[in-house]
Amino acid sequence: DTEVTQTPKHLVMGMTNKKSLKCEQHMGHRAMYWYKQKAKKPPELMFVYSYEKLSINESVPSRFSPECPNSSLLNLHLHALQPEDSALYLCASSQSGGASYEQYFGPGTRLTVT
Amino acid sequence: DQQVKQNSPSLSVQEGRISILNCDYTNSMFDYFLWYKKYPAEGPTFLISISSIKDKNEDGRFTVFLNKSAKHLSLHIVPSQPGDSAVYFCAASFGGAQKLVFGQGTRLTINP
Repeated sequence: DTEVTQTPKHLVMGMTNKKSLKCEQHMGHRAMYWYKQKAKKPPELMFVYSYEKLSINESVPSRFSPECPNSSLLNLHLHALQPEDSALYLCASSQSGGASYEQYFGPGTRLTVT
Repeated sequence: DQQVKQNSPSLSVQEGRISILNCDYTNSMFDYFLWYKKYPAEGPTFLISISSIKDKNEDGRFTVFLNKSAKHLSLHIVPSQPGDSAVYFCAASFGGAQKLVFGQGTRLTINP
């Protein structure tokens, strides 16, 4: 199984809503990532979890709150978002500590903030 | 400060010919380079990678070349097929870091 799954595929939320994005992988990877991608731009790293601990936070606003309940799951909790947060949110995973740096991406969640 | 640059936003190639996508970088600390392919509404798919100790890596129709002195890498696809039409991202990393730095992407269109 070389798949990273993400739910939901699409999400529309108001600025006062609270919602969560979910990501799951069963490749035994110990590093998991959240990226944000705006149209015609490259993916931008938001957070990295390594062995279920937050290892990188790229100065992301606190209205985005990541959580790693176990080595297979990664959540991104959303609260009080702004319209400019509308984007494709990508989850990825990779082996941690090995020589291979390849990250495997999920299909993404298309988020629209109204 | 864009550390990884793909200067061609788009490239059009005839089916069966060679596609060459280029990428330049500025940070000499980068020691691992990757190419990803992305279709609309999907996540990026890993294609091929190369370590800085090599100057070439080949996988089927895909070959990546690295020129460290010029801080340049390229992806060759031969022969090009219609299914290769997608956006291609170059990415770089260093020191075992988990952070990938992506280029802006090049949209490749393969014409029949």
